[in-house]
Amino acid sequence: DGGITQSPKYLFRKEGQNVTLSCEQNLNHDAMYWYRQDPGQGLRLIYYSQIVNDFQKGDIAEGYSVSREKKESFPLTVTSAQKNPTAFYLCASSKRTSGKYNEQFFGPGTRLTVL
Amino acid sequence: AQSVTQLGSHVSVSEGALVLLRCNYSSSVPPYLFWYVQYPNQGLQLLLKYTSAATLVKGINGFEAEFKKSETSFHLTKPSAHMSDAAEYFCAVSEAFDSNYQLIWGAGTKLIIKP
Repeated sequence: DGGITQSPKYLFRKEGQNVTLSCEQNLNHDAMYWYRQDPGQGLRLIYYSQIVNDFQKGDIAEGYSVSREKKESFPLTVTSAQKNPTAFYLCASSKRTSGKYNEQFFGPGTRLTVL
Repeated sequence: AQSVTQLGSHVSVSEGALVLLRCNYSSSVPPYLFWYVQYPNQGLQLLLKYTSAATLVKGINGFEAEFKKSETSFHLTKPSAHMSDAAEYFCAVSEAFDSNYQLIWGAGTKLIIKP
């Protein structure tokens, strides 16, 4: 079955540590996205990538980094510079970013908690 | 920049009653609109999308939404609520950034079903 996988589902981090969240898709989509979700705030875009080896900052990129070495993979690193990293992180993909009605498909999410 | 407003962070209805979740958008051009559903601790799933083909859009799980240009609205309805409909619902509009399109998200409405 085609889809998006995220791992781990739950992640605990001590303050000052970097952690990497995994996102893999087998939908052959060009575009991939990372969102952060906090209660009552909807989804906020962290980074997105249209093609391999290229990515752009979203609205809240500070304290995060990404890479896109393969079409299928778009890992997100939450660095120690992120002041309040405890949140639910969602990865998504779409065929491209150039279509108006280009729906996004979502993974199951990773819940990160800083201890 | 476009924006999406979802009226009511929480909506409570009795099982079997009509579900109405409100979404208003701001856009100076014909919008492309989406409704997504999120069950607890899961990713988002597309319910339906408006792409200007028809003003009344039918989606999955018995939901539908009507696009009303004069009211800049895209409200989501279901004639008879079921316990399994309890979830959070997000409205989104597709906005152009240079040659790319991103989704602008509403803050979400949590639907509570009373037995």
